[in-house]
Amino acid sequence: TQLLEQSPQFLSIQEGENLTVYCNSSSVFSSLQWYRQEPGEGPVLLVTVVTGGEVKKLKRLTFQFGDARKDSSLHITAAQPGDTGLYLCAGGGHNQGGKLIFGQGTELSVKP
Amino acid sequence: EAGVAQSPRYKIIEKRQSVAFWCNPISGHATLYWYQQILGQGPKLLIQFQNNGVVDDSQLPKDRFSAERLKGVDSTLKIQPAKLEDSAVYLCASSPTTGGFETQYFGPGTRLLVL
Repeated sequence: TQLLEQSPQFLSIQEGENLTVYCNSSSVFSSLQWYRQEPGEGPVLLVTVVTGGEVKKLKRLTFQFGDARKDSSLHITAAQPGDTGLYLCAGGGHNQGGKLIFGQGTELSVKP
Repeated sequence: EAGVAQSPRYKIIEKRQSVAFWCNPISGHATLYWYQQILGQGPKLLIQFQNNGVVDDSQLPKDRFSAERLKGVDSTLKIQPAKLEDSAVYLCASSPTTGGFETQYFGPGTRLLVL
């Protein structure tokens, strides 16, 4: 069974703090996606990374794909209460039969 | 552009009862997915359709779950009979062609509680 392990599972921080969420696997992925899910809603795609070592920035969010394409990280600078939600990483590719494998998620709470 | 629509949003049933969920994907999207998301876990793919054909149903518990996508548009997912462990959010997603690198657009989900 191919697994994506996210850490930490829960994170509660104050507004203005920085944080990093990790997504690790023993499997190689052709692509890795990060989603954000708010209560009562479905996940919404934030970014897709496809090249080992790739770094993408989305305003205060920085995403990195590991050189070996087995891991990824999401860094948020100066977190805001609006960043609160469940962050999911999902890996896909030929090794996964074309389907997405999701991590268990990181529940982030940013307090004002 | 309208998003993925799902109904009902919430459902409470007793074990051994039957339940059905409906999904209307984004217009023109060929691929439709049903996921099960248990509290505290990420979504797990149950079944993937491309148009009206099944691409992957390897994780669908076929003794109690069934799904169809008639005419390659709307889809229904049925559970019969339901068990306590089926309590979860059932997410429908669609993408323009076939999975992998593509963006999957998710609906709001149906929250099922089995008592």
